[in-house]
Amino acid sequence: DVKVTQSSRYLVKRTGEKVFLECVQDMDHENMFWYRQDPGLGLRLIYFSYDVKMKEKGDIPEGYSVSREKKERFSLILESASTNQTSMYLCASSASDGTPSSYEQYFGPGTRLTVT
Amino acid sequence: RKEVEQDPGPFNVPEGATVAFNCTYSNSASQSFFWYRQDCRKEPKLLMSVYSSGNEDGRFTAQLNRASQYISLLIRDSKLSDSATYLCVVNLNTGGFKTIFGAGTRLFVKA
Repeated sequence: DVKVTQSSRYLVKRTGEKVFLECVQDMDHENMFWYRQDPGLGLRLIYFSYDVKMKEKGDIPEGYSVSREKKERFSLILESASTNQTSMYLCASSASDGTPSSYEQYFGPGTRLTVT
Repeated sequence: RKEVEQDPGPFNVPEGATVAFNCTYSNSASQSFFWYRQDCRKEPKLLMSVYSSGNEDGRFTAQLNRASQYISLLIRDSKLSDSATYLCVVNLNTGGFKTIFGAGTRLFVKA
């Protein structure tokens, strides 16, 4: 079974703090993703990475950065947290072998971040 | 117009009922299609992949109509444990990576 883990299930931070969210996958997947999920808006892609040290902006990258130093680990950084970044953050991974199943994404349990 | 649209529901059905969800997508470059299930306060989990005209897995049947640009999910003999939000997911072939999630359809199955 694919396993994707995230460093925290719940996190409370203050406005202006720097926040690190960590994600680790154990399936040797090339692709990794960070989403946020808000009621009524569905999942929105923040950043994704298709290889170590490679990253691509998603639909809503503003206020976020990412780091991928190792294949299994993908970090999301909120440089200066704001209240509008209160959300559920979901990490996912997928293979990259060119088959249709490589588009199947496997999610971590999520981090519910509250910024006060 | 949203790229992937779903009826948000909620759908309230009794146990044993058959329920169907529809999902429409706007981009004809859409290549692969999925249904995910998400329980309350949990992560989405892959339910079914839809690669051709459709496929079946037990009580679940997914169908794809490329001409009309919609996919459907049929659940037969609903169980209480089927209560969840069902997400329609479309992957685009645009030369790069593009996956779009629908906002989800909420299902409540009642005894």
